[in-house]
Formats: sequence, structure tokens, C-alpha cells
Amino acid sequence: DAGVIQSPRHEVTEMGQEVTLRCKPISGHNSLFWYRQTMMRGLELLIYFNNNVPIDDSGMPEDRFSAKMPNASFSTLKIQPSEPRDSAVYFCASSSGDFGEQYFGPGTRLTVT
Amino acid sequence: DAKTTQPPSMDCAEGRAANLPCNHSTISGNEYVYWYRQIHSQGPQYIIHGLKNNETNEMASLIITEDRKSSTLILPHATLRDTAVYYCIVSGFGNEKLTFGTGTRLTIIP
Repeated sequence: DAGVIQSPRHEVTEMGQEVTLRCKPISGHNSLFWYRQTMMRGLELLIYFNNNVPIDDSGMPEDRFSAKMPNASFSTLKIQPSEPRDSAVYFCASSSGDFGEQYFGPGTRLTVT
Repeated sequence: DAKTTQPPSMDCAEGRAANLPCNHSTISGNEYVYWYRQIHSQGPQYIIHGLKNNETNEMASLIITEDRKSSTLILPHATLRDTAVYYCIVSGFGNEKLTFGTGTRLTIIP
């Protein structure tokens, strides 16, 4: 298996632009997680899905952030409009059950200027 | 979920066993202890988890005290590639949310 796939790996955009991050979970996994990591705040859970349904989005910072999972093999995290403080590494992870063994993707490094 | 406390940093000589402690004094009966690590610029990697018995896999061993208020992750023969930030996390069965703290930055010294 190729593992969790994220794209793009790097994204540089200007403030005010829309940004879309993409994630393909490991085949057969039924839970998907979006995290954000910064030096100041560490690794934070933004939202997670189970069987394509959003279960907990309490970590989504504000309405500029939205996430979708239209099917079991694809998810997006969208920021519109983007701001410099959104600059971070965004990780996607997936898991297959209740035991917390999450598999992380390589991350997308987002820079908003 | 119970809070965990870890030392901010540790060093270990290459080839020696690395013992990483974690305190979780408020852990409840149905909460598991998980360990993840994050090598620089990579996504976190699952290492091991346990409830109350000691656990071992190909990467590490997990020793949980009888009262479950603390645990130790053991890397038996540390290599330079084990240099990473190690996170100890407590979470309940069926609760898929993992809250990452600041972890322990382990540096393996050649």
C-alpha cells in the first residue's frame, strides 16, 4: 500500500486566495483526520470523519476552513480566504478502527504571504 | 482524556536502550496509552499502545506501572534514526481523537 497520500506537498499562495489541500487515505480505512502543526501550537486536530461523515469539527479554527469527504478514498481541506496565520504543515491521517493507530501522510507545507 | 507529562528532552548513546518516561496520573480505567514519534519534517508514526499489560513489538516495548499512572517506552538498541520527538497520549477505547502534547525530543548521540 502506498500509505496516506497528500497533495500538494508544498503550497505558496497570497493572502486572500483559496487553498485546497487533498488527501487519499489508506484503502480500507474508515476514519480520516486532518491536523495542523505550527511551532507555536504544536499538532492540533482540526476535524475527523468516520465512514465519510464528519464526527468532530471542533478544532476547525473558523468559518474560513471547511473539509469534505465525498467518498471513502478522498478528502479535501479548503481555506477561503487564506491568511498569513494559516501558514503551517497540514497532515492527513487515516485509521481502520478503535485503537488509535493512525497512519499519517507526509503533510502539506502551506505558506501564505 | 487524561493529560500526560513528559520531559522536554533526553539524550541517549547510540546502541544503548532509550527509556522514555510518561506520567498520566489521571488516567481512567478504559483509557489506553499510545506512543507516537515524529521524525523531523515527517508525519507522526505510530509506535505502540497498551492498556495495562506490558507490550512489545518490532519497534519498542511499553511498560505500564501496576497503578497505570505512568509508563515507559523502551527502544532497546537506539540508532541515529531514532532521533525524533516522542509523544505519549492517553485516549479512551472507541475515542478516535488523539491529543498530541509537546512530547520528548530524543537525541541519539553517536
